[in-house]
Amino acid sequence: QVQLVQSGAEVKEPGASVKVSCQASGYTFTNYYIHWVRQAPGQGLEWLGWINPNSGGTNYAQKFQGRVTMTRDTSISTAYLELSRLKSDGTAVYYCARDRYTSGYRFFDFWGQGTLVTVSS
Amino acid sequence: EIVLTQSPGTLSLSPGERATLSCRASQSVSSSFLAWYQQKPGQAPRLLIYGASSRATGIPDRFSGSGSGTDFTLTITRLEPEDFAVYYCQQYDSSLFTFGPGTKVDVK
Repeated sequence: QVQLVQSGAEVKEPGASVKVSCQASGYTFTNYYIHWVRQAPGQGLEWLGWINPNSGGTNYAQKFQGRVTMTRDTSISTAYLELSRLKSDGTAVYYCARDRYTSGYRFFDFWGQGTLVTVSS
Repeated sequence: EIVLTQSPGTLSLSPGERATLSCRASQSVSSSFLAWYQQKPGQAPRLLIYGASSRATGIPDRFSGSGSGTDFTLTITRLEPEDFAVYYCQQYDSSLFTFGPGTKVDVK
């Protein structure tokens, strides 16, 4: 069965960087894009961008350009999100999600369990 | 960037009642790229509807989606206790994705 398993919670100081991992199993990792979405406490969902695990190509939301880097390691079917220059409003649960682009539709069909990143001095 | 607006912000209903949730886009959205997700506290979002009206695998038929252009609707015909949650619409356009702010369906 398809699973996306994320790394554990992190606590970081303002200005630091954080790297979150998302390990995929149950399907061919390079066949589906991976997206990253975050959710601040009590708030809605915010899309950060995607990575194409096959080519390594990326597309980031404009708000995060210059601060976000998405990478992957195909040998271990894992995608990574790195967010630099963290601010206090970076405290959020970060989710990875699989992109299902099929038959003209596009949506996120499987999600990781989420990783809480707390930014605090 | 297409902005999604959801209404109402909160919908207070009783089990067995019908829920009608609205998602409005700032410009026309392809129906193929409009999806709905359900999220319960402490859980990741779950896909309910894709292509504006197609139910995802395992989603009960009390959930239905409709709409086109800038106006989309998620309907839950008879609310079950497990349906009380937050619902988000999502759209894809020009390599970008956006989510609506969500509608919370809570117990009246």
